[in-house]
Amino acid sequence: TQLLEQSPQFLSIQEGENLTVYCNSSSVFSSLQWYRQEPGEGPVLLVTVVTGGEVKKLKRLTFQFGDARKDSSLHITAAQPGDTGLYLCAGAAFTGNQFYFGTGTSLTVIP
Amino acid sequence: SQTIHQWPATLVQPVGSPLSLECTVEGTSNPNLYWYRQAAGRGLQLLFYSVGIGQISSEVPQNLSASRPQDRQFILSSKKLLLSDSGFYLCAWNGETTDTQYFGPGTRLTVL
Repeated sequence: TQLLEQSPQFLSIQEGENLTVYCNSSSVFSSLQWYRQEPGEGPVLLVTVVTGGEVKKLKRLTFQFGDARKDSSLHITAAQPGDTGLYLCAGAAFTGNQFYFGTGTSLTVIP
Repeated sequence: SQTIHQWPATLVQPVGSPLSLECTVEGTSNPNLYWYRQAAGRGLQLLFYSVGIGQISSEVPQNLSASRPQDRQFILSSKKLLLSDSGFYLCAWNGETTDTQYFGPGTRLTVL
């Protein structure tokens, strides 16, 4: 059972454009993480959101955790080629040792 | 600061051969440890997790096994590899009181 669905699965945009990636679930999570992964490397943590309705900004990246703690979004402003990669969301269960990963969004930013 | 290591980085093995992948964490104690497998460009499939020495939980039936002989060491093994065992294997850890996982650099396994 895939608890977290990400959309879109693939995204190819021009440098300077804006984009939003969605991570949706019918389950409630203790917290939610976003990672970026480059080919052949491990995922690198971007942010953890904990509180329902929370918004965090990391330079040109804005992360939002849904009020009901079931979904999240990642918005990138003025995308750059360095943003290219696989974006993964992960929900943490309340037990503290279970994590559920989304299907991934592969982003390509064309110079 | 905490660091996580995996080795080897890449591995090419024939079908039927044994496997041993190692993961170690530095700078923390009593971590929860995880093994994931990732298909190309896709999400992660949890294989095993461990909350302490000798404590292993398996998420899916498979040809693989895991062991935790020391607090900060997690090993993924197989007695006889299958073609379907090929993939990118990731080790991760999180602290007892934190929700966030941190990943190692991964091991690319190719079974021929």
